[in-house]
Formats: sequence, C-alpha cells, structure tokens
Amino acid sequence: DAGITQSPRYKITETGRQVTLMCHQTWSHSYMFWYRQDLGHGLRLIYYSAAADITDKGEVPDGYVVSRSKTENFPLTLESATRSQTSVYFCASNPAEGNQPQHFGDGTRLSIL
Amino acid sequence: SQQGEEDPQALSIQEGENATMNCSYKTSINNLQWYRQNSGRGLVHLILIRSNEREKHSGRLRVTLDTSKKSSSLLITASRAADTASYFCATPKGGGADGLTFGKGTHLIIQP
Repeated sequence: DAGITQSPRYKITETGRQVTLMCHQTWSHSYMFWYRQDLGHGLRLIYYSAAADITDKGEVPDGYVVSRSKTENFPLTLESATRSQTSVYFCASNPAEGNQPQHFGDGTRLSIL
Repeated sequence: SQQGEEDPQALSIQEGENATMNCSYKTSINNLQWYRQNSGRGLVHLILIRSNEREKHSGRLRVTLDTSKKSSSLLITASRAADTASYFCATPKGGGADGLTFGKGTHLIIQP
C-alpha cells in the first residue's frame, strides 16, 4: 500500500542501548522529517532530509543520528538511549519545499527504562 | 520554541454544535497549516492557507488567517463524534523545506 510506514509501532528498551526506528515511504517524496511528541511540548523536529545523502539538524538533534542512503528510507538511531528520549516518534514526508502539507506515519511509541 | 500556540487547550461540546479553535504565531509566515490527530495515530493534514489568503473552506472546515494579528482560527461546523481529536496548527520553519513548527494543540471532545 502507498504511504508512509513506521516500525516498530512500540518499543521498550533500556538506557544505554542502541535503538533504530525505521521509516519508509512509497511516494518518492524528496523531503523526510523526524519529530518527537511529548506532553507539554507538542511536536518538535529532530532531523530532516531534503534528498538522499542530505540531512540536517532540527530543533532537538542531540542524542540522535539519521541517514538517508535511499530516497524511500529515513531511519532514526538513538546511539545510547536515555530516559529523556522516551517519547512518541513520528516520521513525515512531503514532495517539495514551500507550500506543501506533510504526510505522517502512525508513530513509534518508545519507552526507555 | 513554539511558533504556533492553540487556544483553548481543551474544548468539549455537544454533537451538532460548532467548534472554534484559535492559533497565534510569532513570526512572518508564507502559509499556515492545520492538522488533526486521532488518539494513537499520526497527524493528518486538514487544510493549508497561504499568507495572501484570508479564508479557506474544506467541507465542514473553515479556516481564517489574519496576518496583521498573526492569528488563525479553525471552525468545525455541525460537529460529529468522529471529530473528537487533537488539532494542531503548524507553520513552516524558514522557507518550508526544513520542517514545521507545531503548537501544543487543542484537544476537542464531541459529546453525543
């Protein structure tokens, strides 16, 4: 099915572990984004990518790493998870810059114990 | 920092009534977007209004934009139980290629 899918939907891990959240879109959109959603903060941008092999930091990038070797995939890695990274993570995409709405996945709920 | 701030934070109305949510923002924008989020799901784009537009309609949704006051409103007419959700306004960072800045949202509850 066309769209944007995130995996896993739920993940529990321990502090210090590395964890990777996956995002895959079937539209061949140029732009992809990672947000985290926390109570009291709304959605905050972690990283974004304008095309394959082009990534840039958002508002809250510390502790996260991204890569984009293929247009359709944009994985987010927590290299050494901390409790403060417990959150719901959303991936989004849009076809071009400017006046374009974003399309969101259903999120990954990540708990770090 | 939050660019858009929605008001009220929560709203509970009876089915069939109209719901109005407001959004204020701080800097100049080229467009403003509204999204809906159902519990446990991702955000769904509702409507985009450009800075040179004052009003836009989509079905039961009406969005207004007042750039002089840096504010926008979302009106949902004849509300239904299925409209229960959180609603967010969002504005582009920079030229729009580097993501959106979201407000904290309005949680809307439609009571049957």
